[in-house]
Amino acid sequence: EAQVTQNPRYLITVTGKKLTVTCSQNMNHEYMSWYRQDPGLGLRQIYYSMNVEVTDKGDVPEGYKVSRKEKRNFPLILESPSPNQTSLYFCASSPTPFQGAADTQYFGPGTRLTVL
Amino acid sequence: AQKVTQAQTEISVVEKEDVTLDCVYETRDTTYYLFWYKQPPSGELVFLIRRNSFDEQNEISGRYSWNFQKSTSSFNFTITASQVVDSAVYFCALSDLISSGSARQLTFGSGTQLTVLP
Repeated sequence: EAQVTQNPRYLITVTGKKLTVTCSQNMNHEYMSWYRQDPGLGLRQIYYSMNVEVTDKGDVPEGYKVSRKEKRNFPLILESPSPNQTSLYFCASSPTPFQGAADTQYFGPGTRLTVL
Repeated sequence: AQKVTQAQTEISVVEKEDVTLDCVYETRDTTYYLFWYKQPPSGELVFLIRRNSFDEQNEISGRYSWNFQKSTSSFNFTITASQVVDSAVYFCALSDLISSGSARQLTFGSGTQLTVLP
């Protein structure tokens, strides 16, 4: 089954404790992206990647890191989480690199993160 | 300036009523793409429709229809004969070029919470 998976689905952590949210897709998609969803703000892009080893900042990259060492995986790293990073996070993928954000994106199920 | 505006934060209707969700966008691109996504209470994002800027034909899919008007920069979504299962948050989104022109970005509106009462 074609899908985007994220782990963990739920996470409660404390300020400053490094964490990684994994994202994996099995569709051989070039483009992958991370979004955060906050009430009243919709989804905002954190980082995106058009190909292996190619990543770029989205609208709200501060406090986050990503890596794209393999085509299928695009982990989101919070090196020192803070309470303002409490949010619902979505990973997404789409087939083409440059047009990635214009393609229909396949979204993961979401990761609900709480930082105390 | 907000690029995608969904002015209706919450809408409540009674089952079988028709309801229209508004979406107004802003872009300088001549080639852009518009989307609608549904987020039911379970939280996942469900793709509903994708339209490019050159296709202004309205589209109908069952009880769902979309009205794309470039002249008013709007891409409105109508649900006919609403059902309780339509209760969800609906997001409109715009894909256009970033300022450098090197990639496209996807910008979401803030969403409209639709509640359909039995």
